[in-house]
Amino acid sequence: TQLLEQSPQFLSIQEGENLTVYCNSSSVFSSLQWYRQEPGEGPVLLVTVVTGGEVKKLKRLTFQFGDARKDSSLHITAAQPGDTGLYLCAGASNTGKLIFGQGTTLQVKP
Amino acid sequence: GAGVSQSPSNKVTEKGKDVELRCDPISGHTALYWYRQRLGQGLEFLIYFQGNSAPDKSGLPSDRFSAERTGESVSTLTIQRTQQEDSAVYLCASSLYAGGSYGYTFGSGTRLTVV
Repeated sequence: TQLLEQSPQFLSIQEGENLTVYCNSSSVFSSLQWYRQEPGEGPVLLVTVVTGGEVKKLKRLTFQFGDARKDSSLHITAAQPGDTGLYLCAGASNTGKLIFGQGTTLQVKP
Repeated sequence: GAGVSQSPSNKVTEKGKDVELRCDPISGHTALYWYRQRLGQGLEFLIYFQGNSAPDKSGLPSDRFSAERTGESVSTLTIQRTQQEDSAVYLCASSLYAGGSYGYTFGSGTRLTVV
């Protein structure tokens, strides 16, 4: 069974701080995606990483895919209140569906 | 349509009743997925469709749950004899094709409350 574990599950920080969210598995994934979800809405895709060791940047967000394609990280620089939300990683399973981690709830206080 | 549309947005039902949840995917998206999300948790896979067929329905919790898809369009998730543990947000997503290379577009979900 392919599983993804995210850590931490909950993070509360002050505006301007940096943070990193981790997504780990014992399984290899062909690709990995990160989503952000706000209350009452569905998750919204932030990025897809495909190649081991790949790094992608989206403004203040940096995403990295592990060399072995078993893990990924999301780093946010100088967090802002607008970054508040539930962050989800998801890996492409070998049966065509996405498997989601439990999510990291981020709260950025002004 | 422009996005994935789900209806109803909220549903309160009595224990033991049947419910139908509807999903209209983005036009041209061949793959459609159903997930369940409990409060503050990640997404639990239920079933997905590639066209009309369901290659993976391993996530359906029991035989009370079923889903169908008409053409490469609307899908309906049916829960029979609802139980309180069925209370959750049911999310639908679509993508151009199945597989992780194509990002999912999610609807806003149906919040189901069983009383």
